Formats: sequence, structure tokens, C-alpha cells
Amino acid sequence: KAGVTQTPRYLIKTRGQQVTLSCSPISGHRSVSWYQQTPGQGLQFLFEYFSETQRNKGNFPGRFSGRQFSNSRSEMNVSTLELGDSALYLCASSPTARSEKLFFGSGTQLSVL
Amino acid sequence: QQQVKQSPQSLIVQKGGIPIINCAYENTAFDYFPWYQQFPGKGPALLIAIRPDVSEKKEGRFTISFNKSAKQFSLHIMDSQPGDSATYFCAATSGGYNKLIFGAGTRLAVHP
Repeated sequence: KAGVTQTPRYLIKTRGQQVTLSCSPISGHRSVSWYQQTPGQGLQFLFEYFSETQRNKGNFPGRFSGRQFSNSRSEMNVSTLELGDSALYLCASSPTARSEKLFFGSGTQLSVL
Repeated sequence: QQQVKQSPQSLIVQKGGIPIINCAYENTAFDYFPWYQQFPGKGPALLIAIRPDVSEKKEGRFTISFNKSAKQFSLHIMDSQPGDSATYFCAATSGGYNKLIFGAGTRLAVHP
């Protein structure tokens, strides 16, 4: 079974631009969560989707948004990029909304210049 | 109240040693406490997890000790190996398992 696939693997953007990151969950998994990982703030929860509905949202500004499609694939979007948005963005999937085990992808490394 | 405090920040042990990583929390609503292991260039992977009604859980060389009254839990790695060198994160959640609050992480190096 293929794991969680995140694309692209690396991304370089400039301040003010917007970016879209993609996540394909493990086949059959219906829940997708997004996390931001930085050296200073560690791993922080962004949001979670299940069956195309946002279930939970972390404490991030409205510039961060996401969505989930009917095939469970998910995208997250960051608008008006700031230097502080440079981070590893991790996607995790699980079979249901209350699964005990999250399966993480290898992430998208975003650099904002 | 949502924080999970993890220590130490980094740890170096010799092969065969028993590294111990500690975490503390404030939110008594937390009801699930997983540990994740992350290697460079990879996403975190679930290692072991515990619920507050259990004081200890073992899986292979990994053991979680849980002290509900002190709101603390720790990870012990028995007979540590160089392949265990990684960053370890404790986490906690309540109600829904997919919104995890992570500790800051511990970078473990096991020397041969």
C-alpha cells in the first residue's frame, strides 16, 4: 500500500505570493490533517478534514486554508506569504475521524524569500 | 493549558543505554498520549501510545510510564541502538485523535 504522498517536495516562493500544497492520503483513508513544523515552534496543528468537511482548525491566521476532495485528497493554500511561513508542511492521514494512528507523509519544505 | 512540555531538548547515550524522555501536560481533558519518532527527511511515525487509565505500556524495547496525578509521562528506550538515533516527540489529544498537541521534541543520538 502506498504511503501518504505530498507534492511538491520542495518549494521556493517570495513574500506576498500564494502557494498550494497537495496531499494524497493512503488509499481508503478518509481523514487528512495538516501540520506545520518549524525549528522554533515545533509541530503545530493546522486543520483536519474528514469527508470533505473541516472538523478542527488550529490557531493560524485566515491566510492558511485547506480543502478536501471527494476522493479524500487534500490541498492547503497559504496566501500572501510571509517569511515566517517558511516551514515543513506535513500531511497525515487516518482511516476514520477517530483513528488512533496517524500516518504522516514526508512533507513539503516551503522556503519564503 | 494546551501545551505539552518535553525534556530534554537533546540526549546522547552509548549503545545499550536507556535514554529517558519526559513530558508534562496541564490539560486534564487530554485522554490519549502518543509518542512519534522522526528521522531526517521523513515525517513522524507513531511509536507507542498510552491512555491515562494505564500506568505503563511496553512495546518491544519501548516503554511509556504514565503518572496521572503528576500529569507526566515518559518514554524509556531499553538497550538503545544507533538506529534509534532520531527526534522523538510526545503528544497529547482529547476527544478527537487527529488534533495532536506536540511537545518540542528530543533529539536522541545513540553512539556505538
